[in-house]
Amino acid sequence: GAVVSQHPSWVICKSGTSVKIECRSLDFQATTMFWYRQFPKQSLMLMATSNEGSKATYEQGVEKDKFLINHASLTLSTLTVTSAHPEDSSFYICSASSENYGYTFGSGTRLTVV
Amino acid sequence: GQSLEQPSEVTAVEGAIVQINCTYQTSGFYGLSWYQQHDGGAPTFLSYNALDGLEETGRFSSFLSRSDSYGYLLLQELQMKDSASYFCASNAGNNRKLIWGLGTSLAVNP
Repeated sequence: GAVVSQHPSWVICKSGTSVKIECRSLDFQATTMFWYRQFPKQSLMLMATSNEGSKATYEQGVEKDKFLINHASLTLSTLTVTSAHPEDSSFYICSASSENYGYTFGSGTRLTVV
Repeated sequence: GQSLEQPSEVTAVEGAIVQINCTYQTSGFYGLSWYQQHDGGAPTFLSYNALDGLEETGRFSSFLSRSDSYGYLLLQELQMKDSASYFCASNAGNNRKLIWGLGTSLAVNP
């Protein structure tokens, strides 16, 4: 079956630093990657959609200069949270989409900014 | 706008049957998905309905009525491990974005 590997599973960083989260599709090619953020007891909030080789499409209200998304290949997408602040602390989840496997989710990254 | 509504909380006992409803308002509806999410984990796909009717997968079944813009997830023979959040989601466009409901927190008690 389709597997999406997301790393790291958790990270603690200091305020003002940047954090990179990787999302890899291990056994299939993901035509589209989605990045979500989820606060406790809330639903998934779509941050951006990225297609391989093109710029990500950000949802309204999401700062594209703060949340940098790179989708350089059909198996790898990265989300970089730049100049992180405590309010960026959240659970970040990637999801890969393909015609054969539908939507496959990574295991999520718990980001804590101190 | 596009939205999916589902109850915020449901409580049941082990061995019981529970139904979680989802009503939706989306443009360009393609189908309704259901996901399970345990605390601290990522969503896990449960079921998908593109056409009207019932889809059965083990203890879980999902139903869709496109004319009523309504679907439900049916969980049978509830177990403690079924305590989790359940989300309905709709693929409502050719950009493959999923529109998510706010989630239903299911508590299964002994």
